[in-house]
Amino acid sequence: GQQVMQIPQYQHVQEGEDFTTYCNSSTTLSNIQWYKQRPGGHPVFLIQLVKSGEVKKQKRLTFQFGEAKKNSSLHITATQTTDVGTYFCAGDYNQGGKLIFGQGTELSVKP
Amino acid sequence: NAGVTQTPKFRVLKTGQSMTLLCAQDMNHEYMYWYRQDPGMGLRLIHYSVGEGTTAKGEVPDGYNVSRLKKQNFLLGLESAAPSQTSVYFCASMRYNEQFFGPGTRLTVL
Repeated sequence: GQQVMQIPQYQHVQEGEDFTTYCNSSTTLSNIQWYKQRPGGHPVFLIQLVKSGEVKKQKRLTFQFGEAKKNSSLHITATQTTDVGTYFCAGDYNQGGKLIFGQGTELSVKP
Repeated sequence: NAGVTQTPKFRVLKTGQSMTLLCAQDMNHEYMYWYRQDPGMGLRLIHYSVGEGTTAKGEVPDGYNVSRLKKQNFLLGLESAAPSQTSVYFCASMRYNEQFFGPGTRLTVL
């Protein structure tokens, strides 16, 4: 079945350093979404990427969707302590609303 | 506008007991979902619904049942709880491919 692999599982950075998490699917995605979950909280939608090669930015966050629509990345520039949490990608294979979530990348930021 | 709410927030069960988790949304969304979240496993889809009166199996449906009798409610049932069902359960509703999650239910089965 469809599977979305996400790496790394954990990332510890010093405040001000950059951070990147990667997602990879073995088959082509219809679209991919990114969510953030703060410690003790629930996932919150960040963005959706639909087009091949798409790049979207939200302040210090840059999201990319691969040309083959099989991989995606989230890059945070100059991390801040408010960026702490777990970042999930979620792949949509055009199966009537089902999303397959990656395992998540837990980001910790040392001030 | 409460968004997505879940009841209860916490629950402890003994093996073999049954319970129902309630999810309610006031956004008139058609799609609703139940996930479980375990450490290092991400979010795994249990069951979902594309509209009132419909349900479908997700990745890990065994040991769970669901019902969607009203559009705004999605119920998750455990008929005979097992320790392997200890987890955090999230409900979500969706509109325009954006999922809105509830605050979660932390369930422990002893």
